[in-house]
Amino acid sequence: SQQGEEDPQALSIQEGENATMNCSYKTSINNLQWYRQNSGRGLVHLILIRSNEREKHSGRLRVTLDTSKKSSSLLITASRAADTASYFCATDARQAGTALIFGKGTTLSVSS
Amino acid sequence: DTGVSQNPRHKITKRGQNVTFRCDPISEHNRLYWYRQTLGQGPEFLTYFQNEAQLEKSRLLSDRFSAERPKGSFSTLEIQRTEQGDSAMYLCASSFGGTINEKLFFGSGTQLSVL
Repeated sequence: SQQGEEDPQALSIQEGENATMNCSYKTSINNLQWYRQNSGRGLVHLILIRSNEREKHSGRLRVTLDTSKKSSSLLITASRAADTASYFCATDARQAGTALIFGKGTTLSVSS
Repeated sequence: DTGVSQNPRHKITKRGQNVTFRCDPISEHNRLYWYRQTLGQGPEFLTYFQNEAQLEKSRLLSDRFSAERPKGSFSTLEIQRTEQGDSAMYLCASSFGGTINEKLFFGSGTQLSVL
């Protein structure tokens, strides 16, 4: 089962533009994480935001979390061609003993 | 820190055969996860271990799938009597944590093709 749902499914932008991806989820969480995956490779952790946090920054990444709406957004500023990848949100549900559950992802294409 | 290692990288097998994959986590990590991913989809949870204990197994996982983590170190995932629907990328990840899932470190995956 997949708790997180990313929106949009695909996004195409020009280098230098900002990219925004959204994630909605269903149950109460401990934290929400964003991962990146280049084609045919494993996933790489980008950022983790805890349920008591509202915003977090890491380099060109900005993540927000709204627990009342059960949603999160990932903003990549000043995008580069190298940012082309699939981006997934993953939620750690508050129910004890559950593993991290991933959404279906947003495919980002950045053209130069 | 040598990262999470998965072997083999690719596996081609005939329907009905058994296959086994291995995952070596980062040495100090106590948690180990198995996920499956098909093209255009997100990773689908299969099972995970805390040390040698298997804490959760997906309801979607048939009895043909079994995983072990002897002595809380490496893990193996076996698929018996493979079917074409088992074709996917099998991803292993590890982390260090207690009751909360923290940052996962993923291996490069094993791509399984069932003919």
